[in-house]
Amino acid sequence: DVKVTQSSRYLVKRTGEKVFLECVQDMDHENMFWYRQDPGLGLRLIYFSYDVKMKEKGDIPEGYSVSREKKERFSLILESASTNQTSMYLCASSRRILAKNIQYFGAGTRLSVL
Amino acid sequence: GENVEQHPSTLSVQEGDSAVIKCTYSDSASNYFPWYKQELGKGPQLIIDIRSNVGEKKDQRIAVTLNKTAKHFSLHITETQPEDSAVYFCAASLAIGNYGGSQGNLIFGKGTKLSVKP
Repeated sequence: DVKVTQSSRYLVKRTGEKVFLECVQDMDHENMFWYRQDPGLGLRLIYFSYDVKMKEKGDIPEGYSVSREKKERFSLILESASTNQTSMYLCASSRRILAKNIQYFGAGTRLSVL
Repeated sequence: GENVEQHPSTLSVQEGDSAVIKCTYSDSASNYFPWYKQELGKGPQLIIDIRSNVGEKKDQRIAVTLNKTAKHFSLHITETQPEDSAVYFCAASLAIGNYGGSQGNLIFGKGTKLSVKP
């Protein structure tokens, strides 16, 4: 059974802190994604990676960075957390070579920045 | 780039009734259209998808229709049940063979919160 695991379900951090959100997939997928989910705004792509050490900006990369040192792990980093980064963060993965583009999602991390 | 519009943003139906969610897309090159269901406390999960060479696809109580000319596709749920209550997302992408970079990324609609009242 496919599995994408996000390290924390809930996280509370203070403004200015450096925050790490971790995501691990066990499906040997090449592609990994970080989304942010806010009410009324749907899923917005922050960053994605289609290979180890590769990263590409999505639609809203400002204030975030990512790291992919191993194929199975994709980390989202908030360099200096701000209150407007309070949100639900979803990680996903998919295969690169595929006739259709199925993404598998983790359960999400709800981050509150105080 | 691709843009996906989804309507309605909320939908409330009585148990047993049908529910329809509609999406439009802008890029005529898109050829793959999945629908994801997100239950409370969980990540989105694929429930049905359709390729551009097919006009309709059905899986038990759910069906998806695609009108390439008008660039819109719809999710139909018949005989709704309380467990159908969730947020539904449509998406569009270009999915052809081997690719890297953003070419094959999913572009999501903003979601529809479906409530099925018993």
